[in-house]
Amino acid sequence: DTGVSQDPRHKITKRGQNVTFRCDPISEHNRLYWYRQTLGQGPEFLTYFQNEAQLEKSRLLSDRFSAERPKGSFSTLEIQRTEQGDSAMYLCASSSRTQNPGHEGYTFGSGTRLTVV
Amino acid sequence: QQQVKQSPQSLIVQKGGISIINCAYENTAFDYFPWYQQFPGKGPALLIAIRPDVSEKKEGRFTISFNKSAKQFSLHIMDSQPGDSATYFCAPPPMDSNYQLIWGAGTKLIIKP
Repeated sequence: DTGVSQDPRHKITKRGQNVTFRCDPISEHNRLYWYRQTLGQGPEFLTYFQNEAQLEKSRLLSDRFSAERPKGSFSTLEIQRTEQGDSAMYLCASSSRTQNPGHEGYTFGSGTRLTVV
Repeated sequence: QQQVKQSPQSLIVQKGGISIINCAYENTAFDYFPWYQQFPGKGPALLIAIRPDVSEKKEGRFTISFNKSAKQFSLHIMDSQPGDSATYFCAPPPMDSNYQLIWGAGTKLIIKP
């Protein structure tokens, strides 16, 4: 296991198009998180899954955003009708149930950089 | 609203010098104080963390110190190296959440050779 994997690493899309990102967490981790990070800022929480259940969604996650984790393993984040303001790095992280996510079990992927033109 | 205030926003240090980054918090409902390190094009990675029952923790060249009365915790990088050039975030998890981290604004550290 090489850690949290995200695909693609980079995505350029035209405004109004739909995009989907994938995250493969560390295999034994049952918690999965999506964050968004813009240049020069800290990550902003988007949503959180425990197994396949989406337990929390940020108000930042508008109706155009949807996340799934159908089998409790990988997750997808879809953005519909993309806007220029959606341009950001989308980070995925995972942790294990027995550890507080703020502690050692929180592992980030390298992110997907989205550019909306 | 729980907040953390991180300073400075950017820092340039000569190779071999000491880098110091500070984080102040406004809410006492934290029981774990981590620093994350992020290189360009990568996600953040936990660097070092401290619990409030100790005032200092050292791991190699990295030291984290905690001042409970001042509600501050700091990262010190001794003998700073060019490879330490990165953005550093404090990101404590609030005690009333089992998934959130409260992120500081970040400090961009540049170590000049």
